[in-house]
Amino acid sequence: SAVISQKPSRDICQRGTSLTIQCQVDSQVTMMFWYRQQPGQSLTLIATANQGSEATYESGFVIDKFPISRPNLTFSTLTVSNMSPEDSSIYLCSVRTGLNQPQHFGDGTRLSIL
Amino acid sequence: GENVEQHPSTLSVQEGDSAVIKCTYSDSASNYFPWYKQELGKRPQLIIDIRSNVGEKKDQRIAVTLNKTAKHFSLHITETQPEDSAVYFCAASMASGGNTGKLIFGQGTTLQVKP
Repeated sequence: SAVISQKPSRDICQRGTSLTIQCQVDSQVTMMFWYRQQPGQSLTLIATANQGSEATYESGFVIDKFPISRPNLTFSTLTVSNMSPEDSSIYLCSVRTGLNQPQHFGDGTRLSIL
Repeated sequence: GENVEQHPSTLSVQEGDSAVIKCTYSDSASNYFPWYKQELGKRPQLIIDIRSNVGEKKDQRIAVTLNKTAKHFSLHITETQPEDSAVYFCAASMASGGNTGKLIFGQGTTLQVKP
């Protein structure tokens, strides 16, 4: 399966600031997704990162808060903007090499906001 | 919208016993059903998956069954071992017809295998 590298692995940020999380894959992938996992909870899909076009956001998530870029088939970024303590969570990049292929996850970014 | 319900939320078994986790999904167009195991502080790892054209799939001690009519699927772990202790997530996806194939996850089951 594809090797997925996410960075940073963790960060502690101040309220009101923004953080950009990077996801790099060692091979071209058709689909890239961003998930959020709050402590002790399940995985919630934030958006599908579309190569060369705007991301597709799920209900409850908006572009102004979580802008996403995907300039090519191996890289994507998720920015968490104007952070508040409620944004403290693990953010996970996930990829699928094709429509009928398994989906794999990066190690996640553990974000804490003070 | 698509919804996945998973139960039980916690499951405790003795080593060597079997464990069963069940999920139901709402969208009849879903056709791909993976299961993930997540150990504490680690990323979710795919352990087995099944597609809608198959009723059952096995991989050593792990098996998954799918009932499309009832819209439910289950994970079966036999001869459980302490290292099976983790949180297990089911998911459902529409994987055709131009859909992005996004996965919607169940709430998770914390499995504890007692030595």
